[in-house]
Amino acid sequence: RKEVEQDPGPFNVPEGATVAFNCTYSNSASQSFFWYRQDCRKEPKLLMSVYSSGNEDGRFTAQLNRASQYISLLIRDSKLSDSATYLCVVNGGDSYGQNFVFGPGTRLSVLP
Amino acid sequence: NAGVTQTPKFRVLKTGQSMTLLCAQDMNHEYMYWYRQDPGMGLRLIHYSVGEGTTAKGEVPDGYNVSRLKKQNFLLGLESAAPSQTSVYFCASSSPPVLAGGTGELFFGEGSRLTVL
Repeated sequence: RKEVEQDPGPFNVPEGATVAFNCTYSNSASQSFFWYRQDCRKEPKLLMSVYSSGNEDGRFTAQLNRASQYISLLIRDSKLSDSATYLCVVNGGDSYGQNFVFGPGTRLSVLP
Repeated sequence: NAGVTQTPKFRVLKTGQSMTLLCAQDMNHEYMYWYRQDPGMGLRLIHYSVGEGTTAKGEVPDGYNVSRLKKQNFLLGLESAAPSQTSVYFCASSSPPVLAGGTGELFFGEGSRLTVL
């Protein structure tokens, strides 16, 4: 089993749609969780950190379920500019506390 | 507001040639990383450093060497390039982990595209 798994995608949705991405991780000792966005041929950039209580930033909502080792990202009212690959990133929490594991990414295309 | 800067951005090498990728960060981060990204493979850790003068192997270290002589710089070297090392290389640094009062966030450079013929 891979350490971090994501929906395989790609997701093709119309503008205005709501889309949800799922991510599961295998290391129960993981401490920090993130969603990164990567545009084609660009570097990954932080979209949201994910907290146990869940967090929202505008149209984006992230949820964490530690018991199920599951993370989600919800995008409401999709925009053309949301088209990108979304990476689930988990900090595995090794002795240095800095062991980042990346999911393979889920590609989103928002269509006009 | 430079953040993480990588040079060069593009390079073409012939098999057997050597080169060094330079990464510089201005955020005073202790932790720095080198990743490679290949189509369908996601990001894979090559080497990382937890502070000046320290380096450690990641998931795919073979064929690469690194040095961290100064806190702000992390160099990735290829001594004898092979076509299998054709990839996009990303350097990153991270803020302290949450338990140490930071955000644990990774900051990436813009990437270096390397082609080995």
